[in-house]
Amino acid sequence: DSGVTQTPKHLITATGQRVTLRCSPRSGDLSVYWYQQSLDQGLQFLIQYYNGEERAKGNILERFSAQQFPDLHSELNLSSLELGDSALYFCASSVEGGRDYTATQYFGPGTRLTVL
Amino acid sequence: AQKITQTQPGMFVQEKEAVTLDCTYDTSDPSYGLFWYKQPSSGEMIFLIYQGSYDQQNATEGRYSLNFQKARKSANLVISASQLGDSAMYFCAMRDRSNDYKLSFGAGTTVTVRA
Repeated sequence: DSGVTQTPKHLITATGQRVTLRCSPRSGDLSVYWYQQSLDQGLQFLIQYYNGEERAKGNILERFSAQQFPDLHSELNLSSLELGDSALYFCASSVEGGRDYTATQYFGPGTRLTVL
Repeated sequence: AQKITQTQPGMFVQEKEAVTLDCTYDTSDPSYGLFWYKQPSSGEMIFLIYQGSYDQQNATEGRYSLNFQKARKSANLVISASQLGDSAMYFCAMRDRSNDYKLSFGAGTTVTVRA
């Protein structure tokens, strides 16, 4: 158990809908990272938050947004869902702010999103 | 450009034998970190081992060791005494300044351990 929690574990929804994925980092970790894992694209970095502020952006669509709350949990919001958004979404956390190449990111169990 | 290359899409290994998973990387940054993760069929991503670019010795964690060859830009994972529970997908990943310290993953290698 990495100490990172994600809910829900599975999510099935229809095209055009909006969903929210939730993540709680390990105790003491200030950074939260979101990743998308799909069969055709592999593991892609989406976005990072550090202590409530957006720190880095990756291949995140405009239909997707995220935030980190004062208690450090984070939510990833996916809207106007398309079939291609079906994927495994991971949250990871680390203690550092995203500039430490030695720092390990610990991953949550993931949320498997299926868009029908 | 692909920064992490894992050329073995799938491998079979006999229980109790060792297996080596290849990983080559591309960076011009002298400071970087290399990571290996395991993803079993249940889906979670489990951190296994870390190697820093300035580390003089190869990293080891239990049955996992990293064969780090800096000049060749390779960081191969060695799993000794394979167990059935080692059957999983294994990902090599890197963080460096040129990619703004983001964790970049290879395509992964599937390992199947046979009894």
